[in-house]
Amino acid sequence: KNEVEQSPQNLTAQEGEFITINCSYSVGISALHWLQQHPGGGIVSLFMLSSGKKKHGRLIATINIQEKHSSLHITASHPRDSAVYICAVWGGLDYGGSQGNLIFGKGTKLSVKP
Amino acid sequence: EPEVTQTPSHQVTQMGQEVILRCVPISNHLYFYWYRQILGQKVEFLVSFYNNEISEKSEIFDDQFSVERPDGSNFTLKIRSTKLEDSAMYFCASLPVGARYTFGSGTRLTVV
Repeated sequence: KNEVEQSPQNLTAQEGEFITINCSYSVGISALHWLQQHPGGGIVSLFMLSSGKKKHGRLIATINIQEKHSSLHITASHPRDSAVYICAVWGGLDYGGSQGNLIFGKGTKLSVKP
Repeated sequence: EPEVTQTPSHQVTQMGQEVILRCVPISNHLYFYWYRQILGQKVEFLVSFYNNEISEKSEIFDDQFSVERPDGSNFTLKIRSTKLEDSAMYFCASLPVGARYTFGSGTRLTVV
């Protein structure tokens, strides 16, 4: 079974700082997801990565398949970025017979102070 | 952008009662999932559903739980004889082939 570890667990930053959240996993995957969970509980998918790098606005996600590691970066952080960021891995629809359910990390709680 | 809709947003029920959590996934998606998150813990997989049947379920998804897609649009999770430890946020998600998950906003279930 895949183990997904995130670091740090909690992160406090000042507005404008560059933020990095890390994720590592133990078994090869087809894709990795970065999710954002707001204080109210709703989950939003930010990125799905299978290789390389993706960018959306101030968010950048990278993945190194060989090292089984991914990072989520936030540039010019803002208080509205405060949320829990969750890494989840996906074996894919033909992964060991699974229909591709996600395995989640515990999340990184980010607080950005003004 | 298409959304996954979950109802109710919050349900309080007495221990031992049955609850039905409802989800309307995105219409052209093929795979449907239920996940739950106990307060302060990580999100856990419950069950996946494809082609009108369960394709995979976790150890959590025992005989107390069932899923249905009764009318081709709604996707329901039924919990029979609820227990205190069933209190959690329940998320529905749907997925087209090869793309990102879309999650519903969740149903917060409180068993008292």
